Amino acid sequence: TQLLEQSPQFLSIQEGENLTVYCNSSSVFSSLQWYRQEPGEGPVLLVTVVTGGEVKKLKRLTFQFGDARKDSSLHITAAQPGDTGLYLCRGGSEKLVFGKGTKLTVNP
Amino acid sequence: DVKVTQSSRYLVKRTGEKVFLECVQDMDHENMFWYRQDPGLGLRLIYFSYDVKMKEKGDIPEGYSVSREKKERFSLILESASTNQTSMYLCASRSPGQGASYTFGSGTRLTVV
Repeated sequence: TQLLEQSPQFLSIQEGENLTVYCNSSSVFSSLQWYRQEPGEGPVLLVTVVTGGEVKKLKRLTFQFGDARKDSSLHITAAQPGDTGLYLCRGGSEKLVFGKGTKLTVNP
Repeated sequence: DVKVTQSSRYLVKRTGEKVFLECVQDMDHENMFWYRQDPGLGLRLIYFSYDVKMKEKGDIPEGYSVSREKKERFSLILESASTNQTSMYLCASRSPGQGASYTFGSGTRLTVV
C-alpha cells in the first residue's frame, strides 16, 4: 500500500506570514495533486504535478514536485484568512491514495 | 466544470436502519468513489466503481455496499447503520487520462444515534 505522510498535521499562523507544508512518500508517483478542503465541504483540486522537479504557481501558492517524484511541497506567501482549510495531497493511480492532510488556520 | 452532487448534506439515522447515500455526476465519468472522512484518520476509501454494474472494495468496505445501475449515479448503502458509521461521507468522480483530476461532492455528514 502506498502511503503519503503530510506535515505538519496542524499549523496556525498570522495573516501575512509565509508557510510551507510537505507531502512525503517512499513510493514513486506518476502524478501528485493538492486539494484544499474548507469546513463542511468536499476537497477541491488546486493543482496537479506530473514531472519530477516541476514547479507550479497559483497566485500566492507555489507547488513543487520532488525530482524523484516521491514528495511535494506547498508554499504559501503572505497567507490570508481565506487560505484557512485542510490541505490534502494525493498520489497514485487507481485507488486515490491521500495523505491525512495539514490543517491550516490563518488568523487575522 | 464537473459537478458531483450528493443528495443530503446532513442525515440523522437510528441504529439498525438501512441508509442510502446518493451521488450523481454530470460529466459521463466512468470512475466514481466513496470515501469516509474522520478526524485523525483522513480519507478512507470504502468502494469504487469503474463502470456501470462494476464495483471494487476499497480499504474499509465492511458494513457497506454500493450500487451503480447508471453511469451518472453511485449509491452507498449502509445495510444496518451503527454508531461507528457516524462520519462525513464524500463521493468523488474522476476524469480520464494521466494526472486525472477528482471532483468531490460537498459531502454528507451522517450521524447514527
